[in-house]
Amino acid sequence: DTGVSQDPRHKITKRGQNVTFRCDPISEHNRLYWYRQTLGQGPEFLTYFQNEAQLEKSRLLSDRFSAERPKGSFSTLEIQRTEQGDSAMYLCASSFEAAGANVLTFGAGSRLTVL
Amino acid sequence: ILNVEQSPQSLHVQEGDSTNFTCSFPSSNFYALHWYRWETAKSPEALFVMTLNGDEKKKGRISATLNTKEGYSYLYIKGSQPEDSATYLCAFDSSASKIIFGSGTRLSIRP
Repeated sequence: DTGVSQDPRHKITKRGQNVTFRCDPISEHNRLYWYRQTLGQGPEFLTYFQNEAQLEKSRLLSDRFSAERPKGSFSTLEIQRTEQGDSAMYLCASSFEAAGANVLTFGAGSRLTVL
Repeated sequence: ILNVEQSPQSLHVQEGDSTNFTCSFPSSNFYALHWYRWETAKSPEALFVMTLNGDEKKKGRISATLNTKEGYSYLYIKGSQPEDSATYLCAFDSSASKIIFGSGTRLSIRP
């Protein structure tokens, strides 16, 4: 297993376009998290899945953001009608949730630039 | 609203000195407290996950303590080395659900 993979690593798009990011977690991990990170800030929680179920979504997100995890394996994060404020690093992390051991393994991130 | 605060925001330390920083978190609905180290151009890597009040964890020169009743954790680095330069993130895991990060402490070690 090569860890958590994210694709693409970099995406430049024009305002108003849709973008989709993919995350492939560690295969035996049942939890998958999406975070957004901007300069000088810590990772900001977006959403997380337990297997294929999306258990929580940040109220900070507008309806332009959607995430899926079909069959409890890879996940996609789609941003519709991108805005310049969406420019950020989008981080994916996975974990195997067990009693007291929900350690996150992060991917390298997908950096989005909206022009 | 869950609020996780870290202080200081940044820290410059002379090589060889010891240092520590703080993470404060809600004292209710506690499940676990995580510490991660994030080097530039790399992914955050887990240092510790602590679950019990009074927990102390150690990995080499880095150690952490946990007080869940008052809602704080300390991270200590003994004898700082240039390779310790990184952002140190703490994260609050509430009732085994979402994990909320602080803004991090950016540590720079002066040779």
